[in-house]
Amino acid sequence: EAQVTQNPRYLITVTGKKLTVTCSQNMNHEYMSWYRQDPGLGLRQIYYSMNVEVTDKGDVPEGYKVSRKEKRNFPLILESPSPNQTSLYFCASSPPGTRRGDTQYFGPGTRLTVL
Amino acid sequence: GNSVTQMEGPVTLSEEAFLTINCTYTATGYPSLFWYVQYPGEGLQLLLKATKADDKGSNKGFEATYRKETTSFHLEKGSVQVSVSAVYFCALNSNYQLIWGAGTKLIIKP
Repeated sequence: EAQVTQNPRYLITVTGKKLTVTCSQNMNHEYMSWYRQDPGLGLRQIYYSMNVEVTDKGDVPEGYKVSRKEKRNFPLILESPSPNQTSLYFCASSPPGTRRGDTQYFGPGTRLTVL
Repeated sequence: GNSVTQMEGPVTLSEEAFLTINCTYTATGYPSLFWYVQYPGEGLQLLLKATKADDKGSNKGFEATYRKETTSFHLEKGSVQVSVSAVYFCALNSNYQLIWGAGTKLIIKP
C-alpha cells in the first residue's frame, strides 16, 4: 500500500531531551516536507527536501533539523526540545511529474508534548 | 507575500444543507489551488485541486472553481451528510511550498 508513515505517533518528553521523529514513504517521491499544525494557525512548513541531500528551510525552521540521506526517509530532529514545540507534526511527500509541492500525501501525524 | 484566507469556523449545518466554505488568496503569478480535508485523528488528504484560471476541481461531490478575477477558490457541496464533518484547508502552491489557510471546521448535524 502506498503510504507515508511516521513514528512515533505520540510522544511525551521533557525539555532538552533530544528526539527524532521518523518519516518514510514507499512511493519513490522526490519531494518531502515537514509541517507543524497548531490551533488557529493552520499548517506551517518547517523544512522541505527536493531530493536526496537537498534540504531547505520552510517558514518555521528554528529549533529543528532534518536530513535526507535516502529518498524514502526524511527524519525530523529536535536537538533540544522546548515546550513551544509542543504540536502536531505531519510529514508529507509529493510525486514526480507534478509541479514540486503539488498534491502532497500526508502521514498520520505525530503528537508531541514537551514538558 | 502569498497568503490564503479562509472563513472562520466552526461552520455548523444540518444534513442535506448546501455547503460553501470561502477561500480567497493573494499570490503573484499563477499558483495552483487546493482543498485538503482532515478527518478527526488523521492526516490531511487532497480533496481537489485546480491549476489554472477558470478550472473547476471536483471530487466526491465537492467542487471549487479557480476565479482569478476575484482571487477565490470557494468550496461547495450540495446535500451534505454527517460523514463529511471534518476540517477543510485551502492552500496554494508557491515556489515549491504550499501556503495554507488556517482551516475551517465543518460540523454536520443529523
